[in-house]
Amino acid sequence: DTEVTQTPKHLVMGMTNKKSLKCEQHMGHRAMYWYKQKAKKPPELMFVYSYEKLSINESVPSRFSPECPNSSLLNLHLHALQPEDSALYLCASSSSPGTPFSNQPQHFGDGTRLSIL
Amino acid sequence: AQSVAQPEDQVNVAEGNPLTVKCTYSVSGNPYLFWYVQYPNRGLQFLLKYITGDNLVKGSYGFEAEFNKSQTSFHLKKPSALVSDSALYFCAVRVLKAAGNKLTFGGGTRVLVKP
Repeated sequence: DTEVTQTPKHLVMGMTNKKSLKCEQHMGHRAMYWYKQKAKKPPELMFVYSYEKLSINESVPSRFSPECPNSSLLNLHLHALQPEDSALYLCASSSSPGTPFSNQPQHFGDGTRLSIL
Repeated sequence: AQSVAQPEDQVNVAEGNPLTVKCTYSVSGNPYLFWYVQYPNRGLQFLLKYITGDNLVKGSYGFEAEFNKSQTSFHLKKPSALVSDSALYFCAVRVLKAAGNKLTFGGGTRVLVKP
């Protein structure tokens, strides 16, 4: 069982819809991530939050808007998406307090499979 | 810039035979190296990491990997493959002191273990 929970597992939306992806972890991790993954390709980093502050934005289009309401939750708000945004969106977390960020493995959720009509 | 290469898109192996998945890296500075596995319709699962110390690293599910600095490689190995090891494997690198907390992934290697 994964320790990072993502909801919903599947999402179909039109290009004019607004929806949100949710991610939750209760491991006390201080870093949380959003990735986009196309079929049979490696994950592509989108955003990194460290201690609930956005630390990395990989030049992601503004139609994707991340939010970190508290240390356990991470949201990704979606608006006016394009068909090419259809993908698996993965959330991950890492780094318990007091441990170096850079050598801790990331723990991934099972993702939300997003389809844009 | 850091990069990771997995030269084989797919590896086929018979059950019970040794399994090797290759990974080479290119970084400035000391690399932190990771292996992940992804089963269909699942997220990535951490297998093992090399940070420092022994070049042979042991991980989950009987997997191990050997860090070779002179060849800039970090190949994943399992002495006796199982059908259940069939999955997509990713090598990843994080560089010490790099801006942010980023992983660079290789392109992935699909492993197919036949009974």
